[in-house]
This record gives sequence, structure tokens and C-alpha cells, in this order.
Amino acid sequence: KAGVTQTPRYLIKTRGQQVTLSCSPISGHRSVSWYQQTPGQGLQFLFEYFSETQRNKGNFPGRFSGRQFSNSRSEMNVSTLELGDSALYLCASSLARGGVYEQYFGPGTRLTVT
Amino acid sequence: ELKVEQNPLFLSMQEGKNYTIYCNYSTTSDRLYWYRQDPGKSLESLFVLLSNGAVKQEGRLMASLDTKARLSTLHITAAVHDLSATYFCAVPNYGGSQGNLIFGKGTKLSVKP
Repeated sequence: KAGVTQTPRYLIKTRGQQVTLSCSPISGHRSVSWYQQTPGQGLQFLFEYFSETQRNKGNFPGRFSGRQFSNSRSEMNVSTLELGDSALYLCASSLARGGVYEQYFGPGTRLTVT
Repeated sequence: ELKVEQNPLFLSMQEGKNYTIYCNYSTTSDRLYWYRQDPGKSLESLFVLLSNGAVKQEGRLMASLDTKARLSTLHITAAVHDLSATYFCAVPNYGGSQGNLIFGKGTKLSVKP
């Protein structure tokens, strides 16, 4: 079974630009969560989507947005990039099975803002 | 607000030694997750602990959960170099949803010969 895939894997952008990251969950998984990982702040929750609806959102500015499509693929967008947005962005897909809700993480997209 | 604290944050061990990583969390939760991350890689699920008193073991790693103390431990037995990685614990933020995990800062483990 294929795992979670994220594209692109690496990205370099300039301050002020915008970026779109993509995540394809494991087949059959309907929930997708996004996390930002930085050396200073660690792993922080961005948002979660389930069946095309945003179920929860972390404490990030409105420049960070996302969406989920009918095939469960998800995208996140960051507008007006700042240097502090440089991070590893991880996507996780989830399946609730027998009361266990386990997240499977993708390889991540490493975003560098210059 | 749910907070998850791990200690130590850095751990340098000799091969063959035992050690324990601690994970405390601030609000009630009946489950806790442990992940491993190798440098430049994503997160790999190690354990899902679902109830008070849960204990799970895989190889040289054993994890336990005490929901009353809001404490989980990850015990390393007879460490080997291959265990060198960063270990994270995470707790679901039920104020949000189960897909919203709050992570500890991570424990960077280095096992030296």
C-alpha cells in the first residue's frame, strides 16, 4: 500500500511570494492534517481536513490556508511568505480503526524562504 | 491549553546502557503516541498507547502510559547505535480533534560505541 506522498519535496521561494504544497493521503484515508516543523518551535499543528471540511485549525496567521478535494488530496497555501516560514511541512493522513486514530506522516516538503 | 513536555531534550548514551525518556502532559488524555524521526526524514510511528497502564514493547524500546499521573515513559534497554534519532511524544488535543496532535519538543538521542 502506498504511503503518504507530498510534493514538491524541496522548494526555495523569495519573501513576499506565495507557495502551494500538495499531499496525497494513503488510499482510503479521509483525514489529512498538516504540521509545521522548525528548530525553534518544534512540531506545530496547522490544520486538519476531513471529507473536504476543515475540522480544526492551529494558531497560525491567515496567510496559511488549506483545502481538501473530493479524492482526499489536500493542498496548503502560504501567501506573502516571510523568512520565518522556512520549515519542514509535514502532512499526515489518518484512519480511525477500532477506536485507534493513528496518523501516518509523509516525507515532508522542505520550504526555504530567502 | 494542552502542553506536552519531554525530558531530557538531549541524551548521549553509551551502547549497552539503559535509559528512560519522560513525557508529561498538562490535561486529561486517554491516549499518547510516540514517534521517531531520523535526521532529514519524516516521522515514524513507534507506539500508540490507548489506556491507563498500557505498556508496549518493540525490540529495545518499551513505552508505558499512566493517565492519572499524565506521564508516559519510553525506556531504552541496552542501547545500540541504530537507535540514534529524535523521539517525540504527542497527545491529541481534544479541544480540537483527534487529528490535532500536540507534540513535545523531542528528545535527541545519540548512542555512542
